[in-house]
Amino acid sequence: ILNVEQSPQSLHVQEGDSTNFTCSFPSSNFYALHWYRWETAKSPEALFVMTLNGDEKKKGRISATLNTKEGYSYLYIKGSQPEDSATYLCAIYTGANSKLTFGKGITLSVRP
Amino acid sequence: EPEVTQTPSHQVTQMGQEVILRCVPISNHLYFYWYRQILGQKVEFLVSFYNNEISEKSEIFDDQFSVERPDGSNFTLKIRSTKLEDSAMYFCASSGNTAFQETQYFGPGTRLLVL
Repeated sequence: ILNVEQSPQSLHVQEGDSTNFTCSFPSSNFYALHWYRWETAKSPEALFVMTLNGDEKKKGRISATLNTKEGYSYLYIKGSQPEDSATYLCAIYTGANSKLTFGKGITLSVRP
Repeated sequence: EPEVTQTPSHQVTQMGQEVILRCVPISNHLYFYWYRQILGQKVEFLVSFYNNEISEKSEIFDDQFSVERPDGSNFTLKIRSTKLEDSAMYFCASSGNTAFQETQYFGPGTRLLVL
C-alpha cells in the first residue's frame, strides 16, 4: 500500500509569517507529485506538478521543492496572508495507473 | 477558465436508497475520475473512466457503485443501495490525458450523508 504522509496536520500562523509543510512518499516507482490547495466549499486547485529530483516550482509567494531520492517535497509560503488559509494536499502518481494517491492534507490557518 | 462542476453540492439520503451524483467535466477532457474523502481521512481513489469504459477501480468500488457517461457532457456516479459508511465528500475530476505530469482538475465535491 502506497503511503503518502503530510506534516504537520494543522498549522496556525500569524499574518506575515512564513511557513512550510512536508509531504513524504515512497521513492520507488515515483513518477510525479501534485500539490493542491483546497478552500472550503471550493474545488481543490492545482498548484504544482513536480516530476524531477531537485525540481523547484514557484507561484507568487508559494514555492515547492522535490527530492525523489529521499522521498519528500516541501511547500513554502512566504509572508502568509489570511487568504492562504486552506488545506494543502499532496498526491503521488506512481505511473502504475492513472490514479492519484493523496496524503491527509495540512490545514493552514492564518490569523490577521 | 474551464472548470469541473458537480451537482448536488449536498445530498442527504436514507440507508438503502439509490443516489446519483453528477459531474460535468471540462469539455475537451477525455479522462474522468471519482474520488471520495470520508471525514477526517485521506482523499481516496474510486474509479477512472476513459472511452466509455472503466480504466481502473479501487477495492472500494464494488458492485454497489457504477459510473456512466450518458451523454457528451455528464459523468455520473451511482450508488445503488447506500450504506452509512458511504457518507463522504465525493469529488469528480477530469484530465486531458493520463500522463503523470497531467493535472487532474477537481470539482467542488458533493457531500453525501447517509442516515
